[in-house]
Amino acid sequence: EADIYQTPRYLVIGTGKKITLECSQTMGHDKMYWYQQDPGMELHLIHYSYGVNSTEKGDLSSESTVSRIRTEHFPLTLESARPSHTSQYLCASSELYSGANVLTFGAGSRLTVL
Amino acid sequence: EDQVTQSPEALRLQEGESSSLNCSYTVSGLRGLFWYRQDPGKGPEFLFTLYSAGEEKEKERLKATLTKKESFLHITAPKPEDSATYLCAVQAGETSGSRLTFGEGTQLTVNP
Repeated sequence: EADIYQTPRYLVIGTGKKITLECSQTMGHDKMYWYQQDPGMELHLIHYSYGVNSTEKGDLSSESTVSRIRTEHFPLTLESARPSHTSQYLCASSELYSGANVLTFGAGSRLTVL
Repeated sequence: EDQVTQSPEALRLQEGESSSLNCSYTVSGLRGLFWYRQDPGKGPEFLFTLYSAGEEKEKERLKATLTKKESFLHITAPKPEDSATYLCAVQAGETSGSRLTFGEGTQLTVNP
């Protein structure tokens, strides 16, 4: 069973609206990530956090912002959504096995901006 | 720059027809190579981590192998429930906190 939860699973909103995608994990992982994935394309890292009050931008430029006030919670916010933000957003957390990060993903939030 | 290339992009098999998926990579200091399975509309599900050339891991009908330049995911006698997109990712760098680079995936369809 998944120990990382994303809400909402699906969201359709109009241009200019503010949205927050929620992500929570119950595994006590310090590292958490947000990936963006378009259909048939690879995952692109947009934000990551290595612990409370630590956030960094990823490899793909994004207009979204994140916060990490609690270990288990890593929400992503878009202040003013645009059609170009339409995508699937995947949250993940990780723990180390023999020096390598093993990611556990949530089910994803599919965002459509009209 | 780390690169991951998966082939083929799509593969259609008959039930019971064994085959292999390829993941070629270029990284500086491989820390781990990962295989994930992703079903439509869901997040990727972890399958394997391989750490060094020559390593092999198995899970049911899947077997992952690793060389210094590529990894193979062998599927033996696949069933329709094996249909999914299979993603390969690498973690590189000297620190264990390095991020993962993903390939575009191979979409596998197994027909009954």
